[in-house]
Amino acid sequence: DIQLTQSPSSLSASVGGRVTISCRASQTITTFLNWYQQKPGQAPKLLIYAASHLQSGVPSRFSGNGSGTDFTLAISSLQPEDFATYYCQQSFNTPQTFGPGTKVDIK
Amino acid sequence: QVQLVESGGGVVQPGRSLRLSCAASGFTFGHYAMHWVRQAPGKGLEWLAIISFDGNSEFFADSVRGRFTISRDNPKSTVFLQMNSLRADDTAVYYCARDLNRYAFGNPEYWGQGTLVTVAS
Repeated sequence: DIQLTQSPSSLSASVGGRVTISCRASQTITTFLNWYQQKPGQAPKLLIYAASHLQSGVPSRFSGNGSGTDFTLAISSLQPEDFATYYCQQSFNTPQTFGPGTKVDIK
Repeated sequence: QVQLVESGGGVVQPGRSLRLSCAASGFTFGHYAMHWVRQAPGKGLEWLAIISFDGNSEFFADSVRGRFTISRDNPKSTVFLQMNSLRADDTAVYYCARDLNRYAFGNPEYWGQGTLVTVAS
């Protein structure tokens, strides 16, 4: 199975700040990497698919990059509603797998 | 709009079985693969299973292969997760999700709100 690691596991940031989250795969997954946001008590929400494609309705302050084994999610100007946990996920093969998550909270 | 509503969760004793359902609406159900994903209390997301748009292919996570089965009823726009030989570590919120792509395997796009399964004696 493909393992995904995320760094950092948590971070504190200010409203208006820039955040970058990394995701590394244990083998190449080309661009089959997706990012989800989850808030407490809610279902996950798809933000980015195929490494860099912004899901419809997601603000443009979110962006994704990378290919092969190394990927990043960036949030350019944090808004209060962005404080949440972010998960990367690979759909290169089955079983699909998720990273352990990165919790973003308010500084 | 796409809507997914899970049902069938509850408290079940270890070793027993439970069947979850996910009723879909707002899209052509028979065109999309469907996923099940779970989240144990306070933990991360765990992908469990996928079934193809036509029900002819299915894949599972190692943790549930051989114990869980996935099926679908396209005329009723419903996907099922049959869970057998349940263990305490199967306690989680179970989400169904629609695939991003039509007629292919991709990643989860739309998610239901989840149903809680508690395995305890």
